[in-house]
This record gives sequence, structure tokens and C-alpha cells, in this order.
Amino acid sequence: EVQLLESGGGLVQPGGSLRVSCAASGFTFSSYAMRWVRQAPGKGLEWVSAISASGGSTYYADSVKGRFTISRDNSKNTLYLQMNSLRVEDTAVYYCAKVLMTAAGTYCSMDVWGKGTTVTVSS
Amino acid sequence: EIVLTQSPATLSLSPGERATLSCRASQSVSSCLAWYQQKPGQAPRLLIYDASNRATGIPPRFSGSGSGTDFTLTISSLEPEDFAVYYCQQRSNWPLTFGGGTKVEIK
Repeated sequence: EVQLLESGGGLVQPGGSLRVSCAASGFTFSSYAMRWVRQAPGKGLEWVSAISASGGSTYYADSVKGRFTISRDNSKNTLYLQMNSLRVEDTAVYYCAKVLMTAAGTYCSMDVWGKGTTVTVSS
Repeated sequence: EIVLTQSPATLSLSPGERATLSCRASQSVSSCLAWYQQKPGQAPRLLIYDASNRATGIPPRFSGSGSGTDFTLTISSLEPEDFAVYYCQQRSNWPLTFGGGTKVEIK
């Protein structure tokens, strides 16, 4: 079964750091780009970051650029998001998602999502 | 940044009725648009990819159409499990963006 399982969320003070992880199983992790998407309480979905299959290309939302770092360890089938200088507005459920590679060669959507891990930034 | 505007914000319908959800992009996204369904306390689920292709396991009552800037998700006959929030998403350009969502509620 194709599965993503996030971990590492928790309560952190403003200005603090946290690393969340996403363990993948059931598919060839090293072949797929991956993304992080977050959802603040009662709000919509917000894309956070993306990484290519090899890890050689990374992308960030302006709201987290310079503070968050996405990475992956293909030998461990694990995706990471290192979050530094956390702000109250970073409070959210963080989802990792697998990018769908279509037969037409497009990479627009995300077909597998984890259940999410909750990050709370509060003093 | 490409802004996706979803309408209406809320759709109040009864089971068995047809639901038509709209997503309008601030500039062309070609067909690089997806639709997701999200229920309370759950992760989003991919329904439609590349504007009009149903994802694996999605029933045929869900259909997507459109290209460029105007897209539609249609649920032909609402089942009780379809009452949820629906989001569109584009990745034609970075940053990837989502629409604000349409809540389909029971009338």
C-alpha cells in the first residue's frame, strides 16, 4: 500500500526550530518529486515547499523562504522539512504529498497525501 | 503569482442534486489544474488531475472540464459522502497555488 506518514510536529515557541519528517512506503520514493502543504486552523490549503526526485531542485513559498529547508534522504525513503525562526502564523497541520507523474509527462497534482502532523507555535 | 478564485464559497444542495463548482485563474494555467476533496479532520484527496482526468478510484459522478483560465468540477448526483470542501490547485507556474475552497453542504 502506498503510504506517507508524517512525524515530528509539536509545540514550539516563536523563534524556535522544528524538523518534521515524512516516511514513504509502497512506492519507489527516489523516483518522485515531493511537496509540503500546510493548513492553518480553519483555513484553506497553502503550498509550502517542493523538491525534485533527486533533491537537486527545491522551491519555496515566499512566506517561508529563508526560514524553511526541504530535503530528502532517498536511502531512507524520507522527506524532511527543517523549520527555523518559527512564527505564530506558521501554526498549521503540515502534510507531505507525492507528486503525480502522468503518462502525458505532467507533474501538476499530488496523488498521495499523509495524514499530517500538527505544528503549534506559541509562547 | 497565479491567483485561483473559487465560486461559490458555499453551495447548499440536497443529495441527488447536481453540483457545479467553478475555479477561475488570474492567468492561463493551460490544463495544469487539479481538484481535491477534503473532509473534516482528513487529508485532501485528489479527484481530478490535468483539468479533466479522474484520479484512481474516483467514481464517474465526478468530472472536470476547462482549460486556460476557467475550470469546472461537476458532481452529477450528490451522494451523502460528497458533502465536503473542494479545492482547485495549479502548478503551471511557481508558486503552486490553491483556490480558497468551495464548501458543499447539505441543504
